[in-house]
Amino acid sequence: QQPVQSPQAVILREGEDAVINCSSSKALYSVHWYRQKHGEAPVFLMILLKGGEQKGHDKISASFNEKKQQSSLYLTASQLSYSGTYFCGTYDAGGTSYGKLTFGQGTILTVHP
Amino acid sequence: GAGVSQSPSNKVTEKGKDVELRCDPISGHTALYWYRQSLGQGLEFLIYFQGNSAPDKSGLPSDRFSAERTGGSVSTLTIQRTQQEDSAVYLCASSLVGAYGNTEAFFGQGTRLTVV
Repeated sequence: QQPVQSPQAVILREGEDAVINCSSSKALYSVHWYRQKHGEAPVFLMILLKGGEQKGHDKISASFNEKKQQSSLYLTASQLSYSGTYFCGTYDAGGTSYGKLTFGQGTILTVHP
Repeated sequence: GAGVSQSPSNKVTEKGKDVELRCDPISGHTALYWYRQSLGQGLEFLIYFQGNSAPDKSGLPSDRFSAERTGGSVSTLTIQRTQQEDSAVYLCASSLVGAYGNTEAFFGQGTRLTVV
C-alpha cells in the first residue's frame, strides 16, 4: 500500500517556507524523499531511518515519527530551484516484500519570484 | 556506466504490438525497480528485483506485463499486445541492498512509451 502525501500542491513566493507530509498505514523502517523536475528523473534528497539517523541534503530538513508512521519534509527560505514534484517513499523491511520501495502520489511545489 | 541507463528513450508503437524496455543499472546494485508514471501522475510501482529474483510482482497491471533480470544486471520489461492506456513513462531505478532501506535509489531517465 502506497504512502499518502499532503498537500497535493503548494504555491510559494521565494523565501517562504513549506511543509510536505507523508503518512503510512504500515510500520516504517525508513522514509525516502525525492524531487522530480519537469521532464527529468527523480533525484534523491534524504533518507530518514528508524532510530533517528538521516542521510542526505544539507539544505533540506525532515522529521520521522516512527510511532505515528509519519514523515515531514521542511523547505525553508524556498528558492526558485526548489520547484518540482516531491515524492516520499516507504521501504518494506519484512515479509515477502522485503526491499520494496513504494512512493506516494507526489506533492507539486511551485516557487514564484 | 556512471548512472542507470534506459533504452529506448522514446518508443512509439501501434496498438497490439509487443514492446521491450531495457534497464541497465549501476554496476554492483543488486536491487532494481520498475515504475510507471502517467502524465502528471505519481510513481506507480510495477515490480522489483533482488538479484535475479522478483519477490513482489503485485504491481504489474495485467498478465500482458512481464519482467526479467539476468546476471544480476540488465532488466527487461515486456508489454505484450500494447493498449493505449499503457502509454506512460516507464522509470527504472537501482540501489545497493542496505539494512532497512538505508541506501538511496538512483533513477534512469525513463522510456516514454506512446501507443497509437
